[in-house]
Amino acid sequence: GENVEQHPSTLSVQEGDSAVIKCTYSDSASNYFPWYKQELGKGPQLIIDIRSNVGEKKDQRIAVTLNKTAKHFSLHITETQPEDSAVYFCAASIIQGAQKLVFGQGTRLTINP
Amino acid sequence: NAGVMQNPRHLVRRRGQEARLRCSPVKGHSHVYWYRQLPEEGLKFMVYLQKENIIDESGMPKERFSAEFPKEGPSILRIQQVVRGDSAAYFCASSPARDTQYFGPGTRLTVL
Repeated sequence: GENVEQHPSTLSVQEGDSAVIKCTYSDSASNYFPWYKQELGKGPQLIIDIRSNVGEKKDQRIAVTLNKTAKHFSLHITETQPEDSAVYFCAASIIQGAQKLVFGQGTRLTINP
Repeated sequence: NAGVMQNPRHLVRRRGQEARLRCSPVKGHSHVYWYRQLPEEGLKFMVYLQKENIIDESGMPKERFSAEFPKEGPSILRIQQVVRGDSAAYFCASSPARDTQYFGPGTRLTVL
């Protein structure tokens, strides 16, 4: 079955700097890769997703890149702000197929003022 | 637009009791998923349901756990004879089709 590895497990950056979180997946059939942000005591919130037919997607300060050949995808947050502090999870699934999301272990991002 | 709703938000049970967790999907969504999250870990898939049907229960323990999504009403995750190892946050997600999943706030189950 699918296995998703996420790095780093913790990340601390200065406010205004960029943050990058990386994930690798094992199942070449996976074709949908969402990223979720989870704040303390809350449910995961979808922040951006990418499908395997595109290599990059941007939404304001957030971008995701996908390398299907290497089976890895990354989350990029630019101009970080204190409210970006949270735990971020990557996931992989097969749209129209198995459907279930397989999550990475999470990255605790801390933005230092 | 109401998002995914889950109740109760917090549930305390003693060992051997039953836990019932409820999930109301986004209006119009007919696909429901349940995930479990242990402290400091990622979410693990448990079960995927459509109205009145279990599509994939490969992540759900064979004993004591069951799930349903009736024609009317919320989806229910039921845990019988709870043990301390069942203590976790249980999240429900919904989607309008086989697509993007939107999560609820979760139910935090504590077994004493």
